[in-house]
Amino acid sequence: GAGVSQSPSNKVTEKGKDVELRCDPISGHTALYWYRQSLGQGLEFLIYFQGNSAPDKSGLPSDRFSAERTGGSVSTLTIQRTQQEDSAVYLCASSHGQGESYEQYFGPGTRLTVT
Amino acid sequence: SQQGEEDPQALSIQEGENATMNCSYKTSINNLQWYRQNSGRGLVHLILIRSNEREKHSGRLRVTLDTSKKSSSLLITASRAADTASYFCATARPGYSTLTFGKGTMLLVSP
Repeated sequence: GAGVSQSPSNKVTEKGKDVELRCDPISGHTALYWYRQSLGQGLEFLIYFQGNSAPDKSGLPSDRFSAERTGGSVSTLTIQRTQQEDSAVYLCASSHGQGESYEQYFGPGTRLTVT
Repeated sequence: SQQGEEDPQALSIQEGENATMNCSYKTSINNLQWYRQNSGRGLVHLILIRSNEREKHSGRLRVTLDTSKKSSSLLITASRAADTASYFCATARPGYSTLTFGKGTMLLVSP
């Protein structure tokens, strides 16, 4: 079946503009994660959705970052007033069950460049 | 700081040789997972080892876990050029619903 998809694959934006990144998880997966990966670095957790529970937003670096998940499926990560340090690859992942006991399936990522 | 730290940061070997990567972590865990990443894009899950397991195999992969030393190793036997990628360990801690990833080991396998 289809894997996790993300759009756009690349996004170049000017400093101060808002951007929206989209993630389509695998159908039936209840858990959805957003991560950020800067050049040569590991993955930085941003936010986690599990079913209808309140999301775990503990990884969001500032209030410029927000995310929502509509209908328990598609998720959108929004970055307002982008800064150059926001440049990174943003990765989305989904899993069948509650997080840590299950493998995560990753999308190809969105490469964000803030000029 | 990172929960998991991979060692070495980079590893260069010839095809046919074995590659060993290590991961150390700081707190108790429920399980530890290894992922592979090609070309800085999406990660692919390789193997999951639970805290009550000591060794696990999957094809050419062998993972060990030593909870007393808070460390894990990933061995890739008879490496191929296609194994060239970055490898990350990720830990799942009790009470947390998310994984914590290390910075990865970059493996280069030359023909």
